[in-house]
Amino acid sequence: DVKVTQSSRYLVKRTGEKVFLECVQDMDHENMFWYRQDPGLGLRLIYFSYDVKMKEKGDIPEGYSVSREKKERFSLILESASTNQTSMYLCASSTQAGGREQFFGPGTRLTVL
Amino acid sequence: DAKTTQPTSMDCAEGRAANLPCNHSTISGNEYVYWYRQIHSQGPQYIIHGLKNNETNEMASLIITEDRKSSTLILPHATLRDTAVYYCIVRATQGGSEKLVFGKGTKLTVNP
Repeated sequence: DVKVTQSSRYLVKRTGEKVFLECVQDMDHENMFWYRQDPGLGLRLIYFSYDVKMKEKGDIPEGYSVSREKKERFSLILESASTNQTSMYLCASSTQAGGREQFFGPGTRLTVL
Repeated sequence: DAKTTQPTSMDCAEGRAANLPCNHSTISGNEYVYWYRQIHSQGPQYIIHGLKNNETNEMASLIITEDRKSSTLILPHATLRDTAVYYCIVRATQGGSEKLVFGKGTKLTVNP
């Protein structure tokens, strides 16, 4: 089975802190994604990466950066956390061949105080 | 914007088949129909996808109409653990955007 793991299920940070969210997949997938999910707004794509050291902005990249130094790991960085970044963060991965279905991690519920 | 329309909610009795409809009248020839579900407080889970032929896997069956303007996800023997929000998504597998656009989905409640 495809496994996508995220470093934390719940995280509480203070405004202005630098926050790292880590995601690891074990299926050698080329593509990795970071979404956030908020009530009434659905899933919104923050960034995605289609290869090591490659990244593309999604719909809402402001206030976020990403890092992909290894194929299996994709990190989301909040440079200076703000209260409006309180959300559920979801990581996903997919292959570039075939159906390209995305497999999601369990999510990290981040609260910024 | 989501290119699909689904009922807001549905109920199903445990052990019975759950049939979840989806309308995608503007689907393009190169777009597939994908189904995901999200159990409360968990990440979305891929279920199945198809182009024009009916598909079946260990989780569900997908029935796509001949004109491809609608489809139905079938959970043959629903269990309480199938209670979730089910999302129908259309997307091209080759080219196009990589992102998934989730609509509001259908909240399926399986009752004992």
